[in-house]
Amino acid sequence: QKEVEQDPGPLSVPEGAIVSLNCTYSNSAFQYFMWYRQYSRKGPELLMYTYSSGNKEDGRFTAQVDKSSKYISLFIRDSQPSDSATYLCAMTNLKAAGNKLTFGGGTRVLVKP
Amino acid sequence: DGGITQSPKYLFRKEGQNVTLSCEQNLNHDAMYWYRQDPGQGLRLIYYSQIVNDFQKGDIAEGYSVSREKKESFPLTVTSAQKNPTAFYLCATIRVPGATGELFFGEGSRLTVL
Repeated sequence: QKEVEQDPGPLSVPEGAIVSLNCTYSNSAFQYFMWYRQYSRKGPELLMYTYSSGNKEDGRFTAQVDKSSKYISLFIRDSQPSDSATYLCAMTNLKAAGNKLTFGGGTRVLVKP
Repeated sequence: DGGITQSPKYLFRKEGQNVTLSCEQNLNHDAMYWYRQDPGQGLRLIYYSQIVNDFQKGDIAEGYSVSREKKESFPLTVTSAQKNPTAFYLCATIRVPGATGELFFGEGSRLTVL
């Protein structure tokens, strides 16, 4: 079993819809949770960063962490065609050697005009 | 502009050949990383370096080698011992060791073994 599980998709939604993404994980030591966005043939870029449990909002993006359930989510409101990308969750803890991140496999999202 | 430059973007190699992927950064970041990305498997850490002249193995270091002679540069050699080298390779940096999570990535190098 992988340490971080993420549905590969693809997730297809109409423009303007809410995109809902999630990851589950098994390592209770994870404290820092991130979402990266990756466009085709490009490197990932950090989208959201959350420490411990709770919600964080940035514009159209909301990240949620539920450590008790080992479950994190990313919501994209008013989705745009430019949001079409692969979304990777990642997580780590202070004891991780070299600040190693553990990544999910990514969910491909397609927003149709 | 500050950033991370990876080259080449695309590389084809015959079996049995070593290839070296370049990663150069002008962000003045201390730590540098090499990740490998395969479809559906997420990113896996190959090697990382937190300071010049020092580097550590990641989860999948077998068949790879690195050097860190300058702060700006962290080249990755994919050797003939790597059994399945076809993949997308990503170089990343982080501002200081201990700063958790915020990796900056280059645009990647896609290696195909013929």
